[in-house]
This record gives sequence, C-alpha cells and structure tokens, in this order.
Amino acid sequence: DQQVKQNSPSLSVQEGRISILNCDYTNSMFDYFLWYKKYPAEGPTFLISISSIKDKNEDGRFTVFLNKSAKHLSLHIVPSQPGDSAVYFCAATYGQNFVFGPGTRLSVLP
Amino acid sequence: EAGVAQSPRYKIIEKRQSVAFWCNPISGHATLYWYQQILGQGPKLLIQFQNNGVVDDSQLPKDRFSAERLKGVDSTLKIQPAKLEDSAVYLCASSFGRAQETQYFGPGTRLLVL
Repeated sequence: DQQVKQNSPSLSVQEGRISILNCDYTNSMFDYFLWYKKYPAEGPTFLISISSIKDKNEDGRFTVFLNKSAKHLSLHIVPSQPGDSAVYFCAATYGQNFVFGPGTRLSVLP
Repeated sequence: EAGVAQSPRYKIIEKRQSVAFWCNPISGHATLYWYQQILGQGPKLLIQFQNNGVVDDSQLPKDRFSAERLKGVDSTLKIQPAKLEDSAVYLCASSFGRAQETQYFGPGTRLLVL
C-alpha cells in the first residue's frame, strides 16, 4: 500500500519555464512534508518542507503548496535551470514515521 | 562540516553470502536512519536509531537483516544470508533530532546480489 504517490515518473521542461511536480498521500496522519532532490550516485538532499498548518512555503525559486483536503502537494520551480535536472522525492512524516514517494525524474532542457 | 560517510560504495556478492555496511553520521546528530532503495522506487526506511536505541524497526526483515549503533555514533547494517531481492542501494541518513528535522544522507552503498 503506497502511502505517498508521485504519479508522474518523469517530466521534461524547457529552461526558464516552470516545473510542477506533484505528490499525493493517503494517510491523514501525516503532518509534515518534505521534498528531496537526488543526483545520480549521490544521496538525496533536502530541498524544502512544509508543515500541515500551512498551505504554502517559499524558498527562492522553490515553492511548495499543500492542499490538505485533497491530500495533495506540489513543488514549483521557477525558473527551471538545467542544474535542476534530478530525481525529486516527496516525503511525508508523522511522529517517527517517515515515508518517501517513488520519485519523479525532472529533465530541464536548455 | 563533514557529511554522512558510508562504506563500501559498491559491493557484489553471491546469494546466501553475508555483507555488512558501515555508516558514520554527522557529528552531534542523535538520530540515524537506514534506508533501502530498490531501483525505480523511493527509499524505504528499514530502521531508525535515537542515540544507540532503536526507535522503529518495523520494516526491517529481522530474519536476515540486523543493525546496531554502538556508543550512539556510527552504525553497521548486516544482511545474512543475502537474497537476490536484496539488490538495492542502502542509504544512511542522520538528523539532529526527530523525524521532522532535515535528514542528511550519505552517498549510499550499491549492493548487487548474484
């Protein structure tokens, strides 16, 4: 049973345009959400997070939106850069539970 | 600040053999995590330590996997005996405190079981 889903395995975007990565979750107990970015042969690195008491968090080019009623969150990257090409993992947590989604591979084309 | 260190980076073994992975977390980080990432999937939490105590090992296949974190610093994860389906990247991460704090990941150990 996948508690955290990322239904798009891959996404291609032109440099300078907006990248939107989506994530859905099923467990209403989750109260904190994170996005991690992973380059090949490296471990994931933290990107941005959001608490369930908020609906938006922004950090530079990265914005995460949370829609609790829909159990949906999204990561917006504006403007997209070639260096953003990586696999992006959505993660959700409550208490000591920590669950990753399967990831979306983003390719930013020059 | 030194990151999370893991060794070896790669390991190839035959099924039914045993293997061990080592992790040294960031200095001062109380919480240490071991994840298994199978190709095409997200990391799956195997075990979580708070200092040298186990917080959660509900997804650790205890018939063949074991882990320890002596003295609350570095940790080892062992598989004995290995199966073909254990082929994966094993990631170690650490955080200062509890799960909602940022986890810092090591580069992982890529295991291939033949």
